[in-house]
Amino acid sequence: QPQLQESGPGLVKPSETLSLTCTVSGDSISSSNYYWGWVRQSPGKGLEWIGSIYYTGSTYYNPSLESRVTISVDTSNNQFSLKLRSVTAADTAVYYCARLFQGSKARVFDYWGQGTLVTVSS
Amino acid sequence: EIVMTQSPATLSVSPGDRATLSCRASQSISLNLAWYQQKPGQAPRLLFWGAGTRATDIPARFSVSGSGTEFTLTISSLQSEDFAVYYCQQYNDWPPRLTFGQGTRLEIK
Repeated sequence: QPQLQESGPGLVKPSETLSLTCTVSGDSISSSNYYWGWVRQSPGKGLEWIGSIYYTGSTYYNPSLESRVTISVDTSNNQFSLKLRSVTAADTAVYYCARLFQGSKARVFDYWGQGTLVTVSS
Repeated sequence: EIVMTQSPATLSVSPGDRATLSCRASQSISLNLAWYQQKPGQAPRLLFWGAGTRATDIPARFSVSGSGTEFTLTISSLQSEDFAVYYCQQYNDWPPRLTFGQGTRLEIK
C-alpha cells in the first residue's frame, strides 16, 4: 500500500509563500487510476480540499484558494508539491497530502499522509 | 457550489448503542458521497463511498444509506474505538470541486 509523507517548513511569515512537498512511496505517482491532492485542517476545524493534480500535470483547485495556489508534480522523484502564496494567519493549519482514487465515478481520498502543521506567524 | 451539512454537530452515545449521523447536500449528488473517520492527531480514514462500497478493513457494524440529498452513516453497537469525528465528502461536482461537510463529533455519553 502507498505511503505519503509531507515535508516543508513548519513556520511561514505572513505575506510569504507556503511550500510543501509530498513524497509517495509504495506506488507510482504516474498511475492512471489516481489524482493526488492536498487537504488542510485549521486548528479545531473541519477538512478543506485545496486542490488535486494528475501525473500529466492537469490540476483542479478549490475556487476559494485558486488565485493563490499552485500544485505541481515531479514524476521522476514520485513527488508532488503545494505552493500557497500571500499567506495569512488564516492559513495556519495541518496540511495533508492524499491519494485521490478515481474509479467507477468515485473520487475519494483513500490514502493520506500523517499531516504537517504549518503556522503562519511573524 | 454544493454545500454539505452534517448533523448533529456533536452526538453523545453510550457504548453498545447505535449512532446515526446525517449528511445533507444542498442539491442532488446522486450516490457520489464518501464518509471518513478521523481520530485525534490522525489523518482521516476512508470508510465508504458510492452506494455503499466499504473501504479496506471497515467493520460490518458500519453501514451507509441514502441518495440524492440525504445520507446516513449508522454505527450499530458502538465500540470505544468508534468515538471520533466523521466527515462526509461529495464528489458529484468533480471536476472541479470536492467538498467536505463540517463534521460530526461522536462522543461517549
